[in-house]
Amino acid sequence: AQTVTQSQPEMSVQEAETVTLSCTYDTSESNYYLFWYKQPPSRQMILVIRQEAYKQQNATENRFSVNFQKAAKSFSLKISDSQLGDTAMYFCAFMKHLVSGTASKLTFGTGTRLQVTL
Amino acid sequence: NAGVTQTPKFQVLKTGQSMTLQCAQDMNHNSMYWYRQDPGMGLRLIYYSASEGTTDKGEVPNGYNVSRLNKREFSLRLESAAPSQTSVYFCASSELGGGNEQYFGPGTRLTVT
Repeated sequence: AQTVTQSQPEMSVQEAETVTLSCTYDTSESNYYLFWYKQPPSRQMILVIRQEAYKQQNATENRFSVNFQKAAKSFSLKISDSQLGDTAMYFCAFMKHLVSGTASKLTFGTGTRLQVTL
Repeated sequence: NAGVTQTPKFQVLKTGQSMTLQCAQDMNHNSMYWYRQDPGMGLRLIYYSASEGTTDKGEVPNGYNVSRLNKREFSLRLESAAPSQTSVYFCASSELGGGNEQYFGPGTRLTVT
């Protein structure tokens, strides 16, 4: 079974600064996917970024980027130029690579609550 | 295009009562999922349906049943609610196969007294 660990329950960053959220995972799989989801106070789960384990290049989406270290089983999220709207709970999640025709189940970490301040 | 919708948004039950949470998606996805979110626990998978006509247990299925009514709809039933089932419930959907993004509904906050 896979486990996902987020060791930072809460973090705070000032507007326009950069913050990094940590995530480690444990798996015996060689091929898998990793995700960061954002949950603002509205409760809606929103995909931030996705990484395929077989790709060495780190994924980037605008101000969001990841540092994927496969050997270390580490998947951190960097938010640059933080904005007030980035205030949310952030969840790291793992998904096994499965053959086509099967459902893709997510295993979530416990989340990091990020507060962006003025 | 509403995405994933859930009803109701809030519900209060007494211990022993039953209820069904409804979920529908309009993205023509094959796979649908039910998660629960508890403080400090993240989201945990209750049941999922890879495709119409199939359902499987997830990590925490005890006390729940599901029905995949058709390709669009996937309901979660609590037959005899318990205080331990107080939680926020999320429905999600995705295309079949690995690596596909799951799209989430807005959630249902359920309180069992």
